[in-house]
Amino acid sequence: DIQMTQSPSPLSASVGDRVTITCRASQSISSYLSWYQQKPGKAPKLLIFAASTLQSGVPSRFSGSGSGTDFTLTISSLQPEDFATYYCQQTYSTPQTFGQGTKLEIK
Amino acid sequence: EVQLVQSGAEVKKPGESLKISCKGSGYSFSNYWIGWVRQMPGKGLEWMGIIYPGDSDTKYSPSFQGQVTISVDKSISTAHLQWNSLKASDTAMYYCARISEISVLRGVIPYFDYWGQGTLVTVSS
Repeated sequence: DIQMTQSPSPLSASVGDRVTITCRASQSISSYLSWYQQKPGKAPKLLIFAASTLQSGVPSRFSGSGSGTDFTLTISSLQPEDFATYYCQQTYSTPQTFGQGTKLEIK
Repeated sequence: EVQLVQSGAEVKKPGESLKISCKGSGYSFSNYWIGWVRQMPGKGLEWMGIIYPGDSDTKYSPSFQGQVTISVDKSISTAHLQWNSLKASDTAMYYCARISEISVLRGVIPYFDYWGQGTLVTVSS
């Protein structure tokens, strides 16, 4: 199985901050990487797929980059509604494993 | 509008069987893989397996192989997740999700674009 490791966890930040979450794969996964946001009591929501493609309807302050084993999710200017847990997922091979999650907390 | 609607919360005893469902609408159900994801209380997301409704091709995570059965009835656009003998450790929220694909130079890249609302399964004596 491919292991996905996210950092940091947790992450404390303030409204207006630029934040970056990192996801590292245990082997190369090309661009087979998605990012999801999950708020308490809610289903995950797709933000980014294919490493850098923004899902329709997702604000442009979210962006993704990377290829191979190292990926980042960046929020350019944090908004109050962005405080949530973020997960990366590889879909290069089954099982299509998730990272352990990064909880973004208010500083 | 694409929707995945899951069956309601369940409370079961250890050793009982259970089948939960995920009904898709607003798209061609047979042409998209469906995935199942577990989230234990206070924990992260775990990929359980996927099924292609068109031909019932199924892939399981080794962690869940033999522990659950994923099936589909495409005539009613519904996927199922089933247990024959529940354990307390099966207590969790279970999500289904539709899997879309984007074409790239060397193939397709899957991603989970629409999710059900989740089914909470509680197993307790």
